[in-house]
Amino acid sequence: DTEVTQTPKHLVMGMTNKKSLKCEQHMGHRAMYWYKQKAKKPPELMFVYSYEKLSINESVPSRFSPECPNSSLLNLHLHALQPEDSALYLCASSLTGSKTGGEGYTFGSGTRLTVV
Amino acid sequence: DAKTTQPPSMDCAEGRAANLPCNHSTISGNEYVYWYRQIHSQGPQYIIHGLKNNETNEMASLIITEDRKSSTLILPHATLRDTAVYYCIVRANTGGFKTIFGAGTRLFVKA
Repeated sequence: DTEVTQTPKHLVMGMTNKKSLKCEQHMGHRAMYWYKQKAKKPPELMFVYSYEKLSINESVPSRFSPECPNSSLLNLHLHALQPEDSALYLCASSLTGSKTGGEGYTFGSGTRLTVV
Repeated sequence: DAKTTQPPSMDCAEGRAANLPCNHSTISGNEYVYWYRQIHSQGPQYIIHGLKNNETNEMASLIITEDRKSSTLILPHATLRDTAVYYCIVRANTGGFKTIFGAGTRLFVKA
């Protein structure tokens, strides 16, 4: 299995809703990432998990809450989002997230989120 | 992280080689050069990376200049399916596990 699987593929939620995005990989990767991508813009890093621990939070608002229950699974819990949070949310994984470089990321196809 | 500069867009004829340039004049000695591409409505796809030497895999070749201040991604025989945004990224060796995307080059492969 060489894929990162994201569910759901599409999500529409109201501003008072609570929803979760799910990301799963079975490649034995120990680093996992959340990115946000607005239309016609590059992906922006949100969170990095390394060995199931939150390593980097790029000053993301608290209405986005990541969770890494185990080495294969990464969730992004959403609460009280704003319409401007509508975007493509991408999950990625890499072997170790090593600081020495030398490893590429595997990305999922994303969840397209619309906040109404 | 070292900053990268790429042309915003390029055209290439189908079947010809696509040569995508990237400038990274402030690259540090232990920073790798990575290339990803993103086809419309899909997640980014890792293509190749290198440190000093030229690299080749089944998708592309990466040519890094001797001073490491620039690099070129080569798609040897471009097809219509290679139409995508191509991102050149310099990966920091400190500060955690960040891959930061710039604006990239939009490559149009034309029949």
